[in-house]
Amino acid sequence: DQQVKQNSPSLSVQEGRISILNCDYTNSMFDYFLWYKKYPAEGPTFLISISSIKDKNEDGRFTVFLNKSAKHLSLHIVPSQPGDSAVYFCAADNLFFGTGTRLTVIP
Amino acid sequence: KAGVTQTPRYLIKTRGQQVTLSCSPISGHRSVSWYQQTPGQGLQFLFEYFSETQRNKGNFPGRFSGRQFSNSRSEMNVSTLELGDSALYLCASSDGTSGTRETQYFGPGTRLLVL
Repeated sequence: DQQVKQNSPSLSVQEGRISILNCDYTNSMFDYFLWYKKYPAEGPTFLISISSIKDKNEDGRFTVFLNKSAKHLSLHIVPSQPGDSAVYFCAADNLFFGTGTRLTVIP
Repeated sequence: KAGVTQTPRYLIKTRGQQVTLSCSPISGHRSVSWYQQTPGQGLQFLFEYFSETQRNKGNFPGRFSGRQFSNSRSEMNVSTLELGDSALYLCASSDGTSGTRETQYFGPGTRLLVL
C-alpha cells in the first residue's frame, strides 16, 4: 500500500521553462516532507523540505508547495536547466517515499 | 567532511546465503537509516538506528536485521536470501535529533544481486 505516490513516472520540459513535479500522500499525520533528486550510480541528494505547518518553502529556483487538505505537494523548478535532469523522489518523514519522477530538461 | 560510505558497492550472492552490508555515516551523525530500492517500488524504509538502538522499523521480515556500533557505523544483514532481495540498498545518515524528520545524507548504495 503506497502511502506516498508520484503518478508521473517521467516529465520532459524545455530548458528555461517551469518543471512541476507532483506527489500525493494518504496519511494526514505526516509531519515533514522532503524532495530528493537522484543521478544514476549515486545516492539521492536532498533538495528541499517543508514542514506540515507551512504551505510553501522556497530555495532559489526550487519551491515546494503543500496542500494539506488535498494531501498533495508539488515541486516547482524555475527556470529548468539541463543539469536538473534526474529522478526526483518525494518523501514523508523519510519513512515513505514515492516511486520517483524522471525529469528530462531538453536544451 | 567525508560523505556517507557504503561497502561493498556490488555483491552477488545465491539464494539461501546471507549477506552483511556496511555503512559509515558522516562524522558526527548519530542516526543511520537503511532503505531498499527496487525498480518500480521507490525507496522502502528498512530501519533506523540512533545511538546503537533501533529507533524505527519498516515493514520487512525478520530476515532483515541491523546494528549500530559505538562509532555510529552500521551494518545490515539479510539472512536466507531470496531472489526478490535483489535491490539497491541505500544507507543514509543524519544528526538524529529530530528522528527521521530531518535531512538525510545518502551513500551511493550497495547493489545486491541474488541468483
